[in-house]
Amino acid sequence: SQKIEQNSEALNIQEGKTATLTCNYTNYSPAYLQWYRQDPGRGPVFLLLIRENEKEKRKERLKVTFDTTLKQSLFHITASQPADSATYLCALEARDDKIIFGKGTRLHILP
Amino acid sequence: ETGVTQTPRHLVMGMTNKKSLKCEQHLGHNAMYWYKQSAKKPLELMFVYSLEERVENNSVPSRFSPECPNSSHLFLHLHTLQPEDSALYLCASSQETTGVSGNTIYFGEGSWLTVV
Repeated sequence: SQKIEQNSEALNIQEGKTATLTCNYTNYSPAYLQWYRQDPGRGPVFLLLIRENEKEKRKERLKVTFDTTLKQSLFHITASQPADSATYLCALEARDDKIIFGKGTRLHILP
Repeated sequence: ETGVTQTPRHLVMGMTNKKSLKCEQHLGHNAMYWYKQSAKKPLELMFVYSLEERVENNSVPSRFSPECPNSSHLFLHLHTLQPEDSALYLCASSQETTGVSGNTIYFGEGSWLTVV
């Protein structure tokens, strides 16, 4: 069955460092991979989308990589700030199929 | 402000009550969704509507009844729920149900439901 794993339930990173979150998947061939941010008690908010033929995508301090051979995406936040603390969700979408979400990783940026 | 508005934000109901969750999207999207989010579980897709027609129902108990009167409004009618149904219920919309170039989902703020 299809499976998405996000590397850890929670991650603590010192302010100013780069936070790296991992999303692995099995039994799936996504055409697109998305990352969402969710703050406590709020709905997820879309951050970035990367296509299967793209290796890397950047948006301000965010960078996403997509390796279809390793079946893995890495999500980086550079120069992390306490305001970056949130849960980050990985979502996969196969062509002509619905999106499936991972459980998320709770990121804490420590001042 | 994501363009998807949910009411109420918080709801406490008894197991014999009937209540409804309401969702409205102002984005001109054709697809609307109900998701359930429980602690330590991934988002669970409950229902999908495309242009007011239900296209997916993921084995959701009949005590949850969706209604989509038009492409901008979505309801989730709740009846004789169980305590384990307590969760965050998220409404969402997207341009279509699947994307030709990636299908971004726009979520509402969610309705926190507690069943007592």
